Amino acid sequence: AQRVTQPEKLLSVFKGAPVELKCNYSYSGSPELFWYVQYSRQRLQLLLRHISRESIKGFTADLNKGETSFHLKKPFAQEEDSAMYYCALSGFRWGNQGGKLIFGQGTELSVKP
Amino acid sequence: NAGVTQTPKFRVLKTGQSMTLLCAQDMNHEYMYWYRQDPGMGLRLIHYSVGEGTTAKGEVPDGYNVSRLKKQNFLLGLESAAPSQTSVYFCASSYGLGNEQFFGPGTRLTVL
Repeated sequence: AQRVTQPEKLLSVFKGAPVELKCNYSYSGSPELFWYVQYSRQRLQLLLRHISRESIKGFTADLNKGETSFHLKKPFAQEEDSAMYYCALSGFRWGNQGGKLIFGQGTELSVKP
Repeated sequence: NAGVTQTPKFRVLKTGQSMTLLCAQDMNHEYMYWYRQDPGMGLRLIHYSVGEGTTAKGEVPDGYNVSRLKKQNFLLGLESAAPSQTSVYFCASSYGLGNEQFFGPGTRLTVL
């Protein structure tokens, strides 16, 4: 079964410190992985996806198929990065009816001044 | 463009009451989704639709029904609300397989 695990409910760091939000997945095929972010009182929005290999707001994420991980990293955290972060998996592009996403439990990132 | 909109934003129901949540999108997306968000559970898919007139069950469909009579609208119904349905409900839409999902602002529902 497909599953996404975010082991940390809360991650608290100081401004300027490196950040790594962990995401592990369980899927037998070729996954598509995403990070969504939800700032306080705002809607979820896409932060980045592994196939685009972009760096958004200083965040990067690399898909490691050997470790089945897609950790989100940023070298220097900013206070405005404080938000809830969700890792999501979309499996089997050609067979997934409706492009369904499976979300992890979410990690709340708190960046302190 | 308004993107994805949801009505109402807040609602309090008594156990056994019914209600309908409306989701509308103006991006001409084929696919639409209803999720519920609960603390420690992330987002879980309730129902989804791959086009006008189609619906399918997601991960947690029990107690909910949906309809997609028009491409731009996706309705979520609760026939007999239960306290376990207290949650924040998000609607989303996407252009197609593997594409970014765009989310609405959410509806906070409390069932007493």
